[in-house]
Amino acid sequence: SAVISQKPSRDICQRGTSLTIQCQVDSQVTMMFWYRQQPGQSLTLIATANQGSEATYESGFVIDKFPISRPNLTFSTLTVSNMSPEDSSIYLCSVGEGAAGELFFGEGSRLTVL
Amino acid sequence: AQSVTQLGSHVSVSEGALVLLRCNYSSSVPPYLFWYVQYPNQGLQLLLKYTTGATLVKGINGFEAEFKKSETSFHLTKPSAHMSDAAEYFCAVSDNTGNQFYFGTGTSLTVIP
Repeated sequence: SAVISQKPSRDICQRGTSLTIQCQVDSQVTMMFWYRQQPGQSLTLIATANQGSEATYESGFVIDKFPISRPNLTFSTLTVSNMSPEDSSIYLCSVGEGAAGELFFGEGSRLTVL
Repeated sequence: AQSVTQLGSHVSVSEGALVLLRCNYSSSVPPYLFWYVQYPNQGLQLLLKYTTGATLVKGINGFEAEFKKSETSFHLTKPSAHMSDAAEYFCAVSDNTGNQFYFGTGTSLTVIP
């Protein structure tokens, strides 16, 4: 399975600022996914990022708030813009592999907004 | 749309006791089914998966799950709980294209010494 590295692993940010989370995969993958996991809750898909095309956002998530880049087949970034305390969450990068398309996850980026 | 229901957001078992975490799904097509575990301050790790074939699947760390189509269930079990099993467990389902994933709300497992 792919090894997925995320940076930063955690951060504390001030309201109104933006933070970019990086996701590096050790192999080339077609589809990368960004999830949000709010405290004590399950995972919510933010967007799907394919190389060479605009990310596809799920209902309730917009590009202005969560811009995503996918410059190549091993790397993606998610920016959380104009942060508020409600954005305090774990943000997880994942890739789909295998015959069943099972997802593999990075360690997550734990974001606290004050 | 598919959905996943995990009964019991919190489950406590004694060390050495049977672990049973319940998962039911709704799907109009034969799904792919997964269990993931999330240890504190870590990402999600795949425990096991069912795609086709044998309905009893074995995963890592002594866990197994049985796909029961008639009950639309995919419960996770382990015969004897260990302290290191304390974690959050997520059931997930995807369609048979693997393009859409649906996660349950998770079950927090506590193991009592």
